[in-house]
Amino acid sequence: DTAVSQTPKYLVTQMGNDKSIKCEQNLGHDTMYWYKQDSKKFLKIMFSYNNKELIINETVPNRFSPKSPDKAHLNLHINSLELGDSAVYFCASSQDLRAYEQYFGPGTRLTVT
Amino acid sequence: GESVGLHLPTLSVQEGDNSIINCAYSNSASDYFIWYKQESGKGPQFIIDIRSNMDKRQGQRVTVLLNKTVKHLSLQIAATQPGDSAVYFCAEIPLRSNDYKLSFGAGTTVTVRA
Repeated sequence: DTAVSQTPKYLVTQMGNDKSIKCEQNLGHDTMYWYKQDSKKFLKIMFSYNNKELIINETVPNRFSPKSPDKAHLNLHINSLELGDSAVYFCASSQDLRAYEQYFGPGTRLTVT
Repeated sequence: GESVGLHLPTLSVQEGDNSIINCAYSNSASDYFIWYKQESGKGPQFIIDIRSNMDKRQGQRVTVLLNKTVKHLSLQIAATQPGDSAVYFCAEIPLRSNDYKLSFGAGTTVTVRA
């Protein structure tokens, strides 16, 4: 069983569209994250949620909106996609806020054309 | 093979040799450090961690060394295997901080030559 799963794995879309990426973890963890990895492999945190509560909200355009319907799911919705949004987006989870061993999903490669 | 700092992003090592991946961290308040491995097409995977009250920690074929004086962290991989080819990230955090954010380094790409 996959611990942290994301869908879709690949997403190709045009500028201006709205898209969502879904994430689910079956580890029973309290904390979930979204990271963005650019073409140089630099990993930057975007958001974190703990028990459905937003904890970290980095300087991310408000076109990005996370939503956590329950503590096993953290989805990412992106409005008005731009070329610069092209990247790999990783979902991750950890046991709680202070458990820094994070379990990452396989990533969603977003390409905006 | 050995890499130096966060700005030498690649390391080529002969299979069977030992690898040393280096990481210079910037936040003197950081007291917890993690190494992650990211294989091609996959998400990062936890390898080993170390707290600042230690200067060495060993795992299976891996050893992490911490030098707080010069703010330097290294990951040593013994008898490097083809499956060790990946990007390796160091990450740091001050455990007393209330921002709960791991800061990741730029990553070192390790390529194992047969």
